[in-house]
Amino acid sequence: DSGVTQTPKHLITATGQRVTLRCSPRSGDLSVYWYQQSLDQGLQFLIQYYNGEERAKGNILERFSAQQFPDLHSELNLSSLELGDSALYFCASSVQGAPSPSGANVLTFGAGSRLTVL
Amino acid sequence: GQSLEQPSEVTAVEGAIVQINCTYQTSGFYGLSWYQQHDGGAPTFLSYNALDGLEETGRFSSFLSRSDSYGYLLLQELQMKDSASYFCAVRSSNSNSGYALNFGKGTSLLVTP
Repeated sequence: DSGVTQTPKHLITATGQRVTLRCSPRSGDLSVYWYQQSLDQGLQFLIQYYNGEERAKGNILERFSAQQFPDLHSELNLSSLELGDSALYFCASSVQGAPSPSGANVLTFGAGSRLTVL
Repeated sequence: GQSLEQPSEVTAVEGAIVQINCTYQTSGFYGLSWYQQHDGGAPTFLSYNALDGLEETGRFSSFLSRSDSYGYLLLQELQMKDSASYFCAVRSSNSNSGYALNFGKGTSLLVTP
């Protein structure tokens, strides 16, 4: 158990629908990151939050949105779903929010939420 | 732009040594990280290099040459459980004030008996 909790583990839905994925970061971590991993694809960075504020934005579609709440959990909302949105969605957390002299920003990943759009 | 290139697949025999290369192109370099992911599982952190040279952690070592924008992960005394995907990563150029990581497409390592 990495300490990062993601729900649900599996989700099957239809095109055009909307889903919400939830993530609780590891205790003490202030940053939350969302990544998308499609079949045979690498990890695509979507968005980062640090202590409730958006800090970095990757290739996140306009149909997708996220937020981080005061208790530091985060939600990723996916709307108007398309077949191509079927993927494994990972949440990761870290202590750091920005580069620092302490070096590596070690991301701790959750087990992922597998979304299937039919 | 930003890019990370690594081989898509590598096969090696149990007990052997394998090297997985990574070349990167990025602005604002903050070090090269390596992650391991077993099939369908969560990626886990392996190693990090901020300065040139070799970092050793047990059977795994990682090397960085900043002048060549190149690094590699070296796995020694390969075990069957090392069969997994290995990703190199650098700080995303979309990070703004943050510290997101951009990952390469990953190298699938198959260890055979």
